Parts: sequence; C-alpha cells; structure tokens
Amino acid sequence: EAGVAQSPRYKIIEKRQSVAFWCNPISGHATLYWYQQILGQGPKLLIQFQNNGVVDDSQLPKDRFSAERLKGVDSTLKIQPAKLEDSAVYLCASSLIGNEQFFGPGTRLTVL
Amino acid sequence: KQEVTQIPAALSVPEGENLVLNCSFTDSAIYNLQWFRQDPGKGLTSLLLIQSSQREQTSGRLNASLDKSSGRSTLYIAASQPGDSATYLCAVRDSNSGYALNFGKGTSLLVTP
Repeated sequence: EAGVAQSPRYKIIEKRQSVAFWCNPISGHATLYWYQQILGQGPKLLIQFQNNGVVDDSQLPKDRFSAERLKGVDSTLKIQPAKLEDSAVYLCASSLIGNEQFFGPGTRLTVL
Repeated sequence: KQEVTQIPAALSVPEGENLVLNCSFTDSAIYNLQWFRQDPGKGLTSLLLIQSSQREQTSGRLNASLDKSSGRSTLYIAASQPGDSATYLCAVRDSNSGYALNFGKGTSLLVTP
C-alpha cells in the first residue's frame, strides 16, 4: 500500500513570496490533516478535512494561509505572502475516520 | 487546552541499555495516545497506538504504557541499538476535540556504539 505522498520535499523562497504544497493521501482515507512543525517543536495542526469539508481550521492563519481538498482526495496548502516565521516542515497526514494517522515525509520550507 | 510534555528533551545511552521515555498530559479525557519516531529530515513513523481503555501496547523491543488517571505514558525500549537513534514524539487525541493530535516537543535519543 502506497503511503502519503508530498511534494516538493524542499522549498526555499524569499519573504513576501507565495508557495504551495501538495499532498496525496493514502487511498480511501477520508480524513486529511496539515500540520506545521517548527524546528525543536512538535507538529501543530493547521487544518483538518473530512472528505471535501473542513472540520477544524482554528489554528490556520487565514490572512496568509489557505488550503483546499478537491474531490475529497488530493490537497494543497498555500502561503501568500510568506513570512520568516513560516519556516518549518509542513506535514500531511491521512486516516480513516477516527483512526490512526499516517504521515507523509513532509515539505521543508525555508523563508529568507 | 491539552498540554503534552516530554521528559527528557534529550538522552544519550550506550548500546544495549534499556531506557524509558516519559510523556505527560494535562487533560485525562483522551481518546488515545500515540508514540511516533522521527528521523532527521523525515516524516513521522507510528510506533504504538494505545486506546484510552488499554494499559499498554507492545511491538518488538518497544512497550508503551498508559495511566490515564495520572496523565502519564512511558515508552520503554529494550536493548537499545544505534539504529534507534531518532526523535520520539508522544501525541494525544482528546475525546472532545475531533481527531487532531496534540504533540509534545519530543525526546531526542542518541544510542552510541
């Protein structure tokens, strides 16, 4: 069974630029999560989807971050414009509803 | 708001030693607790999942225990090996806040040959 796929693996941008990350969950997993992991910290949930709908986006900085999950499968997370403090690893995870979460390899973002 | 704390932040042991990593959480109303391993530059690998009704789970050389009433979990690693070197993260899923996981900051483990 294929795992959670993410791309790109690494991205370097300058502040005020835009960036987008892509996630393909495990086939059949209805729930998809985006987490932000700042160096030395544990991951923090940004947004959770169940199929097409948003379940929880309370910690998503909505003035600059946006996310969508088209057709209940792939998802994209966008940052526009990026700030220095957005430098982090962005992790995507998926699960069957209420079950164990499986994580992708992450995208490491550096904002200069 | 659930707070998850992991002690120690870093640990170095010689190969072959048994070791214990600690995790504590402030709200005992949890659905389950998960231990993850994270290698540098990699994503998270799930090691053990303990449901709130369970006391422990075992997988190979790993044993995780859960004491929900005291808000504590331990991850026991037997006969440590250099390949066990990684960051170990504890994550709690609350009963009342959907399916999101609340993570600790992790314990960075180094096993020296």
